[in-house]
Amino acid sequence: GIQVEQSPPDLILQEGANSTLRCNFSDSVNNLQWFHQNPWGQLINLFYIPSGTKQNGRLSATTVATERYSLLYISSSQTTDSGVYFCAVPENTGFQKLVFGTGTRLLVSP
Amino acid sequence: NAGVTQTPKFRVLKTGQSMTLLCAQDMNHEYMYWYRQDPGMGLRLIHYSVGEGTTAKGEVPDGYNVSRLKKQNFLLGLESAAPSQTSVYFCASSLFGMGNEQFFGPGTRLTVL
Repeated sequence: GIQVEQSPPDLILQEGANSTLRCNFSDSVNNLQWFHQNPWGQLINLFYIPSGTKQNGRLSATTVATERYSLLYISSSQTTDSGVYFCAVPENTGFQKLVFGTGTRLLVSP
Repeated sequence: NAGVTQTPKFRVLKTGQSMTLLCAQDMNHEYMYWYRQDPGMGLRLIHYSVGEGTTAKGEVPDGYNVSRLKKQNFLLGLESAAPSQTSVYFCASSLFGMGNEQFFGPGTRLTVL
């Protein structure tokens, strides 16, 4: 099945810093989602981005499907950005289950 | 518009007890899913439904049953809980197929003693 790897696994930032999270996937995909799992465990949709670039406030995402990667940019980070960031892609076979990446754990300190 | 809601939020069971987790969505989505999230294992699909009255097995269906009697509701049942079912359970929904954008509920933290 498709493999989804994220880097870095852990990231510690000072409030106000910028960061880039990466998601690599091993096969062609029709779409990709980015999620934020906050410290309370809730999974929050950030982007649904099969290709191209999208922006939402301080966050933006770019997916280059032909090169099998996606990037999530966080600018001017805030303590509320802390948590785990997952990317997820559907498998191309079977019931096309959503395959989640390994996650990036982000801690933003004041 | 509440999105996807789950009840209860927390539950503690003894081994052998049964319970039902309820998921509801108000987005008129066709597909609904139950996942479990365990440390080091990520999210794994338990069962899913492609529409009212349908259910199908996912990756880890053993020990669970589901029902989708109404389009907006998806129930997950544990007939005889085991400690291995201690986990956080998430419900999700999407307009159409799994490849569509999935929206998740807040989760249910279940502990089986």
